[in-house]
Amino acid sequence: DGGITQSPKYLFRKEGQNVTLSCEQNLNHDAMYWYRQDPGQGLRLIYYSQIVNDFQKGDIAEGYSVSREKKESFPLTVTSAQKNPTAFYLCASTPRGYSNQPQHFGDGTRLSIL
Amino acid sequence: AQSVAQPEDQVNVAEGNPLTVKCTYSVSGNPYLFWYVQYPNRGLQFLLKYITGDNLVKGSYGFEAEFNKSQTSFHLKKPSALVSDSALYFCAVTPPNAGNMLTFGGGTRLMVKP
Repeated sequence: DGGITQSPKYLFRKEGQNVTLSCEQNLNHDAMYWYRQDPGQGLRLIYYSQIVNDFQKGDIAEGYSVSREKKESFPLTVTSAQKNPTAFYLCASTPRGYSNQPQHFGDGTRLSIL
Repeated sequence: AQSVAQPEDQVNVAEGNPLTVKCTYSVSGNPYLFWYVQYPNRGLQFLLKYITGDNLVKGSYGFEAEFNKSQTSFHLKKPSALVSDSALYFCAVTPPNAGNMLTFGGGTRLMVKP
């Protein structure tokens, strides 16, 4: 079955450490997204990519970085500059340019501070 | 800029009773509207969408939503609630031709009691 795989499910970060969250999809979707979910705040967009080798900042990009070297993969790095990284991180994808299509979501990575 | 409001943090309903989860939006033009459901430690699952046409949209698991342009609302409904419907529900909106850039509401927790 096609879908989005996020790993790891749980991740712990030490002070001053960068960590990378994996997102892989086999839906042949062009567009991919990273969201941060905090309790009571809904989802906020961190970065998105409409096509390979191109990505754009979302509403809360500071302290995060991404790459899009392959269509299937959109890893997110939480850098040491992100001072409050504890959250649930969700990756999503859609066919590019189709606003009437729903986004498909992975099952998330929960990041905590040690 | 677009925005989505889900005025109730939590909705409580008895099993077998009808349920309504409210959503209002602010966006220019004719928006595309979506409802998603999230179970604990999982990603978002698509329930239904309004693109155009009939104001009453039917979706998965017996849910439906009513689009009201004059009130800029898109309330989620179900005639008879199940305990298994207990989850977190998100409303989302995107303007057409926005490359599927969703704006999410803050979420409403639905609690269905036996």
